Amino acid sequence: GEDVEQSLFLSVREGDSSVINCTYTDSSSTYLYWYKQEPGAGLQLLTYIFSNMDMKQDQRLTVLLNKKDKHLSLRIADTQTGDSAIYFCAECPSGSARQLTFGSGTQLTVLP
Amino acid sequence: KAGVTQTPRYLIKTRGQQVTLSCSPISGHRSVSWYQQTPGQGLQFLFEYFSETQRNKGNFPGRFSGRQFSNSRSEMNVSTLELGDSALYLCASSGGRQPTDTQYFGPGTRLTVL
Repeated sequence: GEDVEQSLFLSVREGDSSVINCTYTDSSSTYLYWYKQEPGAGLQLLTYIFSNMDMKQDQRLTVLLNKKDKHLSLRIADTQTGDSAIYFCAECPSGSARQLTFGSGTQLTVLP
Repeated sequence: KAGVTQTPRYLIKTRGQQVTLSCSPISGHRSVSWYQQTPGQGLQFLFEYFSETQRNKGNFPGRFSGRQFSNSRSEMNVSTLELGDSALYLCASSGGRQPTDTQYFGPGTRLTVL
């Protein structure tokens, strides 16, 4: 079955890099996503990666994909207090374009 | 461009009642998906509508239903509410159904069942 796992908490100092990890199980997943959720708000898409890519960089965000190990990571460079939020990874199984399977979310706390 | 709007934002119901939640997608978007978010189960897909037709359905009982209107606005209905239905219900809209079509989420409707 489909399952996406993330560690629940991460705490970093302002200015450091944050790395949020995710493992997924559905090898047919064609796209993997990272979403951000701030308190009282919906989800905001940060970035996504196609399964035939190893890495994608978008400004302060770097996504690494290890398809063999089904491991996805999101690195946030120069983490700021405004980055404090819950980060979700999600997979999109092949043939289910709109049916995302989300991880449990990682609460990122950025300390001043 | 206005974002996805959901009404109401907060709702309190009692067990056994039914509830209807509304979602207005971004103008021009034809795909609307619904998700349930709870502390225990996390984010779970409910269903997706595109051009007034249900395209995908998650693993939820038949008490959960939805529909989409010709203007792409969508409603979801939960009948015979149970305590476990207390959750944040999120809807998301996108312009198309490709995996690269970004889903834009609304702020959600917080449903509390007493």
